[in-house]
Amino acid sequence: NAGVTQTPKFRVLKTGQSMTLLCAQDMNHEYMYWYRQDPGMGLRLIHYSVGEGTTAKGEVPDGYNVSRLKKQNFLLGLESAAPSQTSVYFCASTEGQGYTGELFFGEGSRLTVL
Amino acid sequence: EDQVTQSPEALRLQEGESSSLNCSYTVSGLRGLFWYRQDPGKGPEFLFTLYSAGEEKEKERLKATLTKKESFLHITAPKPEDSATYLCAPGDKIIFGKGTRLHILP
Repeated sequence: NAGVTQTPKFRVLKTGQSMTLLCAQDMNHEYMYWYRQDPGMGLRLIHYSVGEGTTAKGEVPDGYNVSRLKKQNFLLGLESAAPSQTSVYFCASTEGQGYTGELFFGEGSRLTVL
Repeated sequence: EDQVTQSPEALRLQEGESSSLNCSYTVSGLRGLFWYRQDPGKGPEFLFTLYSAGEEKEKERLKATLTKKESFLHITAPKPEDSATYLCAPGDKIIFGKGTRLHILP
């Protein structure tokens, strides 16, 4: 039982390049989330999904897109990376009825944009 | 606007020196207050959920309490392995506190 798996774990991009972060969970959770964590800023919600085929904006959605084509996967895309998107990205999931259930986090993806 | 504020930002304690971390919030319709522990280079791990004022939860040297406006994470006789960043968040997952970095000196 792997829980929440994020790929890649590390990535370096040049300004303007695009990339996709993949989050996969094997717990059959309905809700999935993407956060970014920056020094002094804490965890900030980028986008989230309340089920397959749904997405919604969080606190800091600009510059990111997401897709939830399969229940177990939640993809975070950067179409044109900027240095301000250098951060550690965390994916998390929680069970269906659990709008207030605890989050299960991945190990993080460290992204550097030069 | 919903807000979550954690204090102090950082705390250094000697091993065995008890203390408390604070999480104050202004969230309408609070549905649970969650505490997480985060080790360097790792994702946060769930510790506790509190749902109503007066509720308390305990786990080893940690005890979480909740009032109508704040939650406390009490740490009793801490050990170096309790060193981590402790995060709190309301149940809607939208906002997190910035965390308290706890360092326990041997």
